[in-house]
Amino acid sequence: DTAVSQTPKYLVTQMGNDKSIKCEQNLGHDTMYWYKQDSKKFLKIMFSYNNKELIINETVPNRFSPKSPDKAHLNLHINSLELGDSAVYFCASSHRGGLGPSILTFGAGSRLTVL
Amino acid sequence: AQSVTQLGSHVSVSEGALVLLRCNYSSSVPPYLFWYVQYPNQGLQLLLKYTSAATLVKGINGFEAEFKKSETSFHLTKPSAHMSDAAEYFCAVSKPGEYGNKLVFGAGTILRVKS
Repeated sequence: DTAVSQTPKYLVTQMGNDKSIKCEQNLGHDTMYWYKQDSKKFLKIMFSYNNKELIINETVPNRFSPKSPDKAHLNLHINSLELGDSAVYFCASSHRGGLGPSILTFGAGSRLTVL
Repeated sequence: AQSVTQLGSHVSVSEGALVLLRCNYSSSVPPYLFWYVQYPNQGLQLLLKYTSAATLVKGINGFEAEFKKSETSFHLTKPSAHMSDAAEYFCAVSKPGEYGNKLVFGAGTILRVKS
């Protein structure tokens, strides 16, 4: 009954490969996110989707392509992996928010290591 | 643009001692402010949030934070540290009403609790 689940949890791959990370939420939220946590633990937003529509794209290389088949899923595909892509990628979800702030629920993270 | 500065990448306290984790923010408008905790190999969990109501906010596990506009601070405190509090803590800011609910995180503070 995990609220936000990501797969795989660990991913080790070679430079130049293409890989995907999947995310699913069962909270009924309409907004999903990808955040990247680098080796210095900085967490930075990459993408945000609301009801399958891209609403935030934070200057991420176009090798990264998010795909949202429905509002419960947001997958991240990465082409031509580079060493600098090594990081922990967190998926999150929330309601879009009305009068108050949206509270994000995070997945456990997917640690990507590019060799 | 909004930003968050967390003073001290590592804080060490004795069990039973006061915990104080510092966070200063920069925002062009009155912000929403958050503290998240990350336990090893887990996702981020919301501790507490400030949404322009009471300036002293109580969260889970005995933590609280006080919003001080004059000091642009939102420091996290707990009167008595417990071993289970050892984790990494992230302060974050968002802009009310901003489409996409983007959270901007600080660099994190690792809390170590000594027995």
